[in-house]
Amino acid sequence: QKEVEQDPGPLSVPEGAIVSLNCTYSNSAFQYFMWYRQYSRKGPELLMYTYSSGNKEDGRFTAQVDKSSKYISLFIRDSQPSDSATYLCAMTSGGADGLTFGKGTHLIIQP
Amino acid sequence: EAGVTQFPSHSVIEKGQTVTLRCDPISGHDNLYWYRRVMGKEIKFLLHFVKESKQDESGMPNNRFLAERTGGTYSTLKVQPAELEDSGVYFCASSQDGRRGGRLPDTQYFGPGTRLTVL
Repeated sequence: QKEVEQDPGPLSVPEGAIVSLNCTYSNSAFQYFMWYRQYSRKGPELLMYTYSSGNKEDGRFTAQVDKSSKYISLFIRDSQPSDSATYLCAMTSGGADGLTFGKGTHLIIQP
Repeated sequence: EAGVTQFPSHSVIEKGQTVTLRCDPISGHDNLYWYRRVMGKEIKFLLHFVKESKQDESGMPNNRFLAERTGGTYSTLKVQPAELEDSGVYFCASSQDGRRGGRLPDTQYFGPGTRLTVL
């Protein structure tokens, strides 16, 4: 069993739709959860980071963590074509440890 | 402020040859990480430097890979001899050490990656 499971997609939705992306994980030591966005031929860029269980909102983006289910989500409201990218979940037990990534979900927002 | 830079952007070599990848972190960042993404797989952690010292090299696949960080500034990752399965994208990331001894993660900023193709 992989430490982090993420559906690679592609996930194609029309502009303006609400997008739901998610990951499951198996290591209960993970405490910090991140979502990175990666455009083609670029490096991953941090979007959101949350600690333990709960929600965090930043503009059109909301990150949710449910540690009891080992399940994390990223919601994108009013999706735009510029949101088309690969979204990677990542997690760590903390500090300066290396990150454990999911495979990434390729998201396509259709104009 | 310049971001993390990596050189070369793309390298094509033959099996058995040697390749050296370079990463220049954001100025002032003590932490430097190497990651690798093999096609169809997730990005995997390789190793972590704090300044010039290797903090964690648990992800290094084998002794054909050698990472150095001279003077705690830029880092190199050498693959010698390269094998077909080494093909992939190698990412470098750096972070500040803003909370020494604390457990809050420092934001890791990624470079654009080096795409390595071994033929």
